[in-house]
Amino acid sequence: DTAVSQTPKYLVTQMGNDKSIKCEQNLGHDTMYWYKQDSKKFLKIMFSYNNKELIINETVPNRFSPKSPDKAHLNLHINSLELGDSAVYFCASRRTGDAGYEQYFGPGTRLTVT
Amino acid sequence: TQLLEQSPQFLSIQEGENLTVYCNSSSVFSSLQWYRQEPGEGPVLLVTVVTGGEVKKLKRLTFQFGDARKDSSLHITAAQPGDTGLYLCAGAWVGGFKTIFGAGTRLFVKA
Repeated sequence: DTAVSQTPKYLVTQMGNDKSIKCEQNLGHDTMYWYKQDSKKFLKIMFSYNNKELIINETVPNRFSPKSPDKAHLNLHINSLELGDSAVYFCASRRTGDAGYEQYFGPGTRLTVT
Repeated sequence: TQLLEQSPQFLSIQEGENLTVYCNSSSVFSSLQWYRQEPGEGPVLLVTVVTGGEVKKLKRLTFQFGDARKDSSLHITAAQPGDTGLYLCAGAWVGGFKTIFGAGTRLFVKA
């Protein structure tokens, strides 16, 4: 029944490792997002896909690579993890054309890089 | 730079008090959303306002969109401990995919 799900919920890893976070939505939405929320709780957009096409790519290091195999899935792969990558990463989805532009968020993935 | 400024950043009140949270910008938005986020969870949509001057009520919460669609406020009447959380405002533009989030207001309601 979960609308937007993410795995894993927690991720603890060492600097230099490569890790992936997965997101799935069953709302039938055509647009998906990745956000990073830092320790001060500020939500910053990273990427957005619309119908599997990358439409938003904010100033994010090349170590971050999103991939959307289909409209319901959006994954985030991070290479060579750094301490500063520690944060909570949220996936969100939206239906294009909704007048209110509401987004539905997943529960988040707390990434800790040691 | 398009920014949404929220105030106050932090608010700690007693149960039963009233409060107002503000969200201001120099940009005109097509719509503005308010979300509430609880610890360990993702933001959950509370309301969307799209018309300048619009007022929406959700039980004890009253949301208002400024006439010029640059600002919004959230008023909570008789706050309860269950209202504790991080309140985020977010603005979007017609035809766009990007939503701008404010830095949030952390509310603690003490019993």
